[in-house]
Amino acid sequence: AQTVTQSQPEMSVQEAETVTLSCTYDTSENNYYLFWYKQPPSRQMILVIRQEAYKQQNATENRFSVNFQKAAKSFSLKISDSQLGDTAMYFCAFMNSNYQLIWGAGTKLIIKP
Amino acid sequence: DAGVIQSPRHEVTEMGQEVTLRCKPISGHNSLFWYRQTMMRGLELLIYFNNNVPIDDSGMPEDRFSAKMPNASFSTLKIQPSEPRDSAVYFCASSLKVQGLTQPQHFGDGTRLSIL
Repeated sequence: AQTVTQSQPEMSVQEAETVTLSCTYDTSENNYYLFWYKQPPSRQMILVIRQEAYKQQNATENRFSVNFQKAAKSFSLKISDSQLGDTAMYFCAFMNSNYQLIWGAGTKLIIKP
Repeated sequence: DAGVIQSPRHEVTEMGQEVTLRCKPISGHNSLFWYRQTMMRGLELLIYFNNNVPIDDSGMPEDRFSAKMPNASFSTLKIQPSEPRDSAVYFCASSLKVQGLTQPQHFGDGTRLSIL
């Protein structure tokens, strides 16, 4: 079975610090996609960043970057210079060959002023 | 460009009543997904349409749940009769699926459903 594991239920850092959220997944597929979504208290699900498994280069979107380790099946999210608006639930998701998203349980991130 | 539009944003109703949730996907997207989110079970995929055709409805919990997509710009999720355990946030998402290209799913703001 394909699974996504986020081992950190909650994290909290000071504003402007860097924080890394971990995600591991299990699959026998070779070509797939990985995503990080953010869900603030407003409950919107917002795409943060995506990574294609066939690309070795780690994806980057402004202050957000990933560390994708395909052999280890690891896909962590790094947030640099964290801001109060980054406070949210963060979900890691794996897209399988059936075009379905398999979701992690989420990490609650709190940015403290 | 407008995102995925869901209505209503909140719904409170008594058990036994019929509930209809609505979704308008992003124009041009050909795939539509209905999810349910609860504290206990997280995000669950209920059903997935491609080109208006249901592809996978294995996540639909019971016969009380049904979903339709009569055209490319509209979908409904219906619960009849509703039960308190159906209380959750229901999300609709859409994406563009073409051969060899995978696009991320874009979510609506969700409908918070409370069954009393």
